[in-house]
Amino acid sequence: GQSLEQPSEVTAVEGAIVQINCTYQTSGFYGLSWYQQHDGGAPTFLSYNALDGLEETGRFSSFLSRSDSYGYLLLQELQMKDSASYFCAVPKKPWAGSYQLTFGKGTKLSVIP
Amino acid sequence: GAGVSQSPSNKVTEKGKDVELRCDPISGHTALYWYRQSLGQGLEFLIYFQGNSAPDKSGLPSDRFSAERTGGSVSTLTIQRTQQEDSAVYLCASNIEGAKNTQYFGPGTRLTVL
Repeated sequence: GQSLEQPSEVTAVEGAIVQINCTYQTSGFYGLSWYQQHDGGAPTFLSYNALDGLEETGRFSSFLSRSDSYGYLLLQELQMKDSASYFCAVPKKPWAGSYQLTFGKGTKLSVIP
Repeated sequence: GAGVSQSPSNKVTEKGKDVELRCDPISGHTALYWYRQSLGQGLEFLIYFQGNSAPDKSGLPSDRFSAERTGGSVSTLTIQRTQQEDSAVYLCASNIEGAKNTQYFGPGTRLTVL
């Protein structure tokens, strides 16, 4: 089976840096993804790591360590609009060609002035 | 281009009634997924369609839930004899065959069973 663990809530100050951790257990590993979801909105894709190391996309970076079954999302120069829930997700390959995602329960980030 | 669309955006129904939720995926996306999200929870996989292959129904919580995808495009999720525990946001997503990371989500249908 597959499971992901991430903190339920994080609070950070505007302009600061925050790290959201995710540990996973999977049977077969096909990468770690991160999604953002604002209240009442649809999840939107942020980043994906298939290999160890850091991937940077603007203010957001994502890190993966396959040997530790661990990853994190790093948000820099926090803005109020970054207040949202952040989900890590791993694909499960049911059969050749496509993948369903298993999501963590999400981390609710609150950015305060 | 147009994203994933879902209808209705909100649905209130009485316990025991049947409901149908609709999803229009992004044109050209062969994979389509249904997820359920209860208040404050993560996304729970329900079912996915991949091209003309048999759907993966492993996530459906009971036989009251069913889904179909006509013509490889539009999908309908049907919940029969709704129960209060079915109240949730039902999200549809689509992507290109073989895409491991990026799924494009619709805005969801908020279902409330009274």
